[in-house]
Amino acid sequence: SYELTQPPSMSVSPGQTARITCSGDALPKQYVYWYQQKPGQAPVMVIYKDNERPSGIPERFSGSSSGTIVTLTISGVQAEDEADYYCQSADSSGSYVVFGGGTKLTVL
Amino acid sequence: QVQLVQSGAEVKKPGASVKVSCRGSGYTFTNYVISWVRQAPGQGLEWMGWVTSYNGNTNYAQNFQGRVTMTTDTFTDTAFMELRSLRSDDTAVFYCARGGDCGGGSCHPFDYWGQGTLVTVSS
Repeated sequence: SYELTQPPSMSVSPGQTARITCSGDALPKQYVYWYQQKPGQAPVMVIYKDNERPSGIPERFSGSSSGTIVTLTISGVQAEDEADYYCQSADSSGSYVVFGGGTKLTVL
Repeated sequence: QVQLVQSGAEVKKPGASVKVSCRGSGYTFTNYVISWVRQAPGQGLEWMGWVTSYNGNTNYAQNFQGRVTMTTDTFTDTAFMELRSLRSDDTAVFYCARGGDCGGGSCHPFDYWGQGTLVTVSS
C-alpha cells in the first residue's frame, strides 16, 4: 500500500527554523496538506495544497515541494509550536486519503 | 461558525459493534463529505473513509472495508460511523472531519474536525 514517509521526531531551539519533510512517490501529482496536533486536541490544518496557508495560521508556517518531497517549514519556532505534525495526500490512484506517520516536534 | 460535535465515549467488548455520531452545524451539510479518522493511543492518524449526505455515496479505506458502515441523516445533519467485530486494537479516538474527497490531484482538506470520541474495547 502507498505510504508517506516522515521523520519520527526532531528538535529545535526557540527562534530556529524547523523543516519537516514528507516523501512519497505520488507527490509530484498530488497536493499535500499539513496538520498540527497538540496533546489531547484534534488536528488543525496549517498548510494546504503544498504551500497555501489558511487564515489564522501564523506566517512562520510555510510549505514547499520538490519532486517526491514536500517540506513544512516553521521559521522562528516558538514554544507553542511543539506538537505532532502530519502530512496528508492522496494515494497513487487519487482516490484514497493517506497520512504520513507523523513527526513529533520538540522545542528545546 | 462551523462545528462538528461528536457523541460521547464508549466502552465495548470484543466482537461487539460501536456507532459514533457527528453532528454538523454552521454550514450546508450536503455540500461536503464527512470523513472518519482513527487514532490509536500514542499512534498516528488513519483515514477510514468518507460519506456524503448529498447522495449517500461512501468511499472506504481498504483496511476497513467489510467492517465499517458510514451513513448520514440529512434531517439532523448528522453523520454516523459504525464499526463491527471490534478488537482490542480498535481502542482509539475516532474523529469526524469535514473533507477528504480526492480527485484530480487534490483533496478537499480536513478544515474542521470534531472533538473526538474515545472507544475502548476491553473484555
